Amino acid sequence: AIQLTQSPSSLSASVGDRVTITCRASQGIRNDLGWYQQKPGKAPKLLIYATSNLQSGVPSRFSGSGSGTDFTLTIRSLQPEDFATYYCLQDGNYPLTFGQGTRLEIK
Amino acid sequence: EVQVLESGGGLVQPGGSLRLSCGISGFIFSDHHMDWVRQAPGKGLEWVGRTKDKRRNYNTEYAASVKGRFSISRDDSKNSLFLQMNSLKSEDTAVYYCVRVSSDASGSDALDIWGQGTMVTVSS
Repeated sequence: AIQLTQSPSSLSASVGDRVTITCRASQGIRNDLGWYQQKPGKAPKLLIYATSNLQSGVPSRFSGSGSGTDFTLTIRSLQPEDFATYYCLQDGNYPLTFGQGTRLEIK
Repeated sequence: EVQVLESGGGLVQPGGSLRLSCGISGFIFSDHHMDWVRQAPGKGLEWVGRTKDKRRNYNTEYAASVKGRFSISRDDSKNSLFLQMNSLKSEDTAVYYCVRVSSDASGSDALDIWGQGTMVTVSS
């Protein structure tokens, strides 16, 4: 199975900051990578699919990039509602696999 | 409104069985792959498996950790998805999410609609 390694595992930032989370795949996955946000006690929410496509309704301060094995999620100008855990998911090869998650906390 | 709603969670003994259900509304069920994803308490997300859409003959795929013990099925006439879980272990304790998969014109998939989850606890 393809392994996804997210970094950092946790991150402290302030409202208004720009943050970047990376996801590295153990082998090439083309652009078959998505990003999901999860808040405590809630279901995950799709933010970005196919590396860089913003899901409808998701604010444009979220963006994704990358290809092959290295991918990034960038949040420009953090808002209070962005403090959550973020997961990457590769959906191009079975079994699908998630990264271990990045917890974004308020500084 | 597009919605998926899980039911059937509960407490079960190790070695036991449980069947989860997911009712869907607001979209054409047969046009979509459907996944199950789980999350153990305090842990990350784990993909469990998929039933593909009608065009792909409802074929199924599973994570190695559940293959041979779990089975995913669907009844498009009743807009329902099922997860049959047998030979349950303590490590299967988790919240189980029913998830719709959507594909865009280029064939890229996205897990775009998630249920609220149902808790399964495997314990004696």
